[in-house]
Amino acid sequence: AQSVTQLDSHVSVSEGTPVLLRCNYSSSYSPSLFWYVQHPNKGLQLLLKYTSAATLVKGINGFEAEFKKSETSFHLTKPSAHMSDAAEYFCVVSLSDTGRRALTFGSGTRLQVQP
Amino acid sequence: GAVVSQHPSRVICKSGTSVKIECRSLDFQATTMFWYRQFPKKSLMLMATSNEGSKATYEQGVEKDKFLINHASLTLSTLTVTSAHPEDSSFYICSARPTEAQETQYFGPGTRLLVL
Repeated sequence: AQSVTQLDSHVSVSEGTPVLLRCNYSSSYSPSLFWYVQHPNKGLQLLLKYTSAATLVKGINGFEAEFKKSETSFHLTKPSAHMSDAAEYFCVVSLSDTGRRALTFGSGTRLQVQP
Repeated sequence: GAVVSQHPSRVICKSGTSVKIECRSLDFQATTMFWYRQFPKKSLMLMATSNEGSKATYEQGVEKDKFLINHASLTLSTLTVTSAHPEDSSFYICSARPTEAQETQYFGPGTRLLVL
């Protein structure tokens, strides 16, 4: 079975300070991992994905995540938060072992950015 | 590129009626589409996997007779909520996986259903 755990339901940072959103996964196989962002009343947008290539993955809008197999983690970071980063973020693992490659979503982390 | 649309974006219906939600991949072909449900302030729950030309695969606990899925072409999947009840009110999101890029899914903007 595969699962993903987002350790913080809410994270609040000041504009211009670093962002860290934590994610741990459980998988019997080499996972594919993703981070998606959901802004209010908008669809999910892919930030970045890891599919067994480079362990440090760079995404859009200055976000990046590092795949650490020893820690089973895939934390999302950004050096400097912007007001427009306020949204819900989902860490996602792909159920590649089933062949369907359906996605399992974490519970989400709401990022607040204070001025 | 890689745009997925959903129609309608929001719908209000009476209890007992049926509602059809369309999911379209606008600029790519998708052999597989997925339907998710998102409760307020909750994560997305996979309801079913829709495969073009074959029956959908439903997740455990999802009633296939209540949530009818049809994937008649490589660019269109529909979800019909039959005999809707207030507890079916939710945000329904579809995603489409390009035939040529199996590791990627593109999500639609979602459909908000309110059953009175």
